[in-house]
Amino acid sequence: NAGVTQTPKFRVLKTGQSMTLLCAQDMNHEYMYWYRQDPGMGLRLIHYSVGEGTTAKGEVPDGYNVSRLKKQNFLLGLESAAPSQTSVYFCASSWIPGSNQPQHFGDGTRLSIL
Amino acid sequence: GENVEQHPSTLSVQEGDSAVIKCTYSDSASNYFPWYKQELGKRPQLIIDIRSNVGEKKDQRIAVTLNKTAKHFSLHITETQPEDSAVYFCAASGNTGFQKLVFGTGTRLLVSP
Repeated sequence: NAGVTQTPKFRVLKTGQSMTLLCAQDMNHEYMYWYRQDPGMGLRLIHYSVGEGTTAKGEVPDGYNVSRLKKQNFLLGLESAAPSQTSVYFCASSWIPGSNQPQHFGDGTRLSIL
Repeated sequence: GENVEQHPSTLSVQEGDSAVIKCTYSDSASNYFPWYKQELGKRPQLIIDIRSNVGEKKDQRIAVTLNKTAKHFSLHITETQPEDSAVYFCAASGNTGFQKLVFGTGTRLLVSP
């Protein structure tokens, strides 16, 4: 049982390039989330999903897209990377809805945009 | 929407002392309040949580208290140890049906031997 796995762990991009961050969970969780973490700003929700085939915008969705084609995977895409997207990205998942279950986080992806 | 404020931003204590971190929230409908610990370069990990039907919860050296009337909750760590050094985040769930957490900005705790 690996929990929540994120790939890659590190990436450097040039402005305007695109990339996809992958999150996989093996806990059969319904909910999945993408956060970004910046110094002094805590964790901010980018997008989330309440189940396979669903996605919704969080607090800071601009410049990102997501997909949840399979229950265990949640992908975060940057179509045209900007220096403001330099951050550490965390994926998380949680159990059934309506009961405020704890969120389980992955190890993060450190992304630098030059 | 929900807004969570966390204080202090940094906290330095001597080993064995107690540490208290405080958070306030804005949405009176929030009913779930977890605390996460994040060591340098690691993932946030849940250390304790409390729901709105409980005023206090303890787990060994850590405890959380909740005052729904004042809309604030606090993390208490007793007998601090160097391995308690980390960044601590509070959070609040602003919706009853779906757990969309709003995080505080974090407290960096440094425990000196």
